[in-house]
Amino acid sequence: DIQMTQSPSTLYASVGDRVTITCRASRSVSPWLAWYQQEPGKAPKLLIYKTSSLESGVSSRFSGRASGTEFTLTISSLQPDDFATYYCQQYTSYPWTFGQGTKVEFK
Amino acid sequence: QITLKESGPTLVKPTQTLTLTCAFSGFSLTTSGVGVGWIRQPPGKALEWLALIYWDDDKRYRPSLESRLAITKDTSKNQVVLTMTNLDPVDTATYYCAHRLLGADKPMVWGQGTLVTVSS
Repeated sequence: DIQMTQSPSTLYASVGDRVTITCRASRSVSPWLAWYQQEPGKAPKLLIYKTSSLESGVSSRFSGRASGTEFTLTISSLQPDDFATYYCQQYTSYPWTFGQGTKVEFK
Repeated sequence: QITLKESGPTLVKPTQTLTLTCAFSGFSLTTSGVGVGWIRQPPGKALEWLALIYWDDDKRYRPSLESRLAITKDTSKNQVVLTMTNLDPVDTATYYCAHRLLGADKPMVWGQGTLVTVSS
């Protein structure tokens, strides 16, 4: 299985902050990496797919990029609706695997 | 518009077998490239991909759970069924089904999920 190591597990930030979440794959998964946002009690919402493509309807303050096997999700200016949990997922090979999640909380 | 909805028991006893149904609309599992899969999430924990079945009956399973899982499709009813045997309290989770298009840039379209609790 491809391991996805996501960090940090918790991120404390304020509205307006620029935040970055990192996901490292145990081997190459490019470009098949997605990012999701999940609110309590809801299904994950797709934000970014194929490393850097923005899902339709998602704010452009979300962006994704890769450097080798390290992937990052950046929120350029944190908004109140962005306080949630974020997951990365590789879908290059089965079994598809997810990161452990990053919870973004109020500082 | 693609929609998926999971259904099944909310409470199952340990050692029993869980049967979950995913009813979908907006696509057909007879169309080349189409698949439906399952993902679960224990309360407060991370997401875990379980299984997927494609239009041609190709099936993929999570290796660590493969001996306990079975995924089948009923194209006449637009349903996919996931069976998990020998349940344990650690299998308590929200179970999601999802649509997958082989070769697509996007990974999948998710259902709303259904919570299954394993307890005696």
